[in-house]
Amino acid sequence: DVKVTQSSRYLVKRTGEKVFLECVQDMDHENMFWYRQDPGLGLRLIYFSYDVKMKEKGDIPEGYSVSREKKERFSLILESASTNQTSMYLCASSQIVGYGYTFGSGTRLTVV
Amino acid sequence: GENVEQHPSTLSVQEGDSAVIKCTYSDSASNYFPWYKQELGKRPQLIIDIRSNVGEKKDQRIAVTLNKTAKHFSLHITETQPEDSAVYFCAAPTRRSGYALNFGKGTSLLVTP
Repeated sequence: DVKVTQSSRYLVKRTGEKVFLECVQDMDHENMFWYRQDPGLGLRLIYFSYDVKMKEKGDIPEGYSVSREKKERFSLILESASTNQTSMYLCASSQIVGYGYTFGSGTRLTVV
Repeated sequence: GENVEQHPSTLSVQEGDSAVIKCTYSDSASNYFPWYKQELGKRPQLIIDIRSNVGEKKDQRIAVTLNKTAKHFSLHITETQPEDSAVYFCAAPTRRSGYALNFGKGTSLLVTP
């Protein structure tokens, strides 16, 4: 069973802080993704990566960056956290591009 | 732009009735259409998917149908049970996102006993 692990389940940060959300998968998947989930808006793609060192912007990359130094780890970085980044963040990985994902449990981030 | 539209946003049915959720997509290159179920406080889980060379797929009480010409696909749940209550998301890969999945906004299904 593929496991996608997000390091924090709940996180509270202050406005202006630099925030790191970590995601690790254990099945040697090439493809990893970050989404944010907000009520009524569904899941929106922030960034994705199809290879170590490769990263591409999704639909809502503003205010975020990512790091993928190792195949199993994909980190989402909020450069300067703002209250409108309060959300549920979901990491996912997949074996084949465009095919079904396995999601992590999510990190609920609150920026105060 | 390329996106996935999902309807309805909420759906309430009585136990034993059927539920249907519909999605439309705009990217003709989309070739894979998964459905995810998310229970309260849990991660989205894949429940069924269909590829573009197939018109229908069934797995016990759930089925997905695809109409490529009209660019829409639907989730059908028969004999609904209270444990089917959850948020359901459809998705499709889109060219603008490098074929990453683009999700609909979700349907909150409530099955009342």
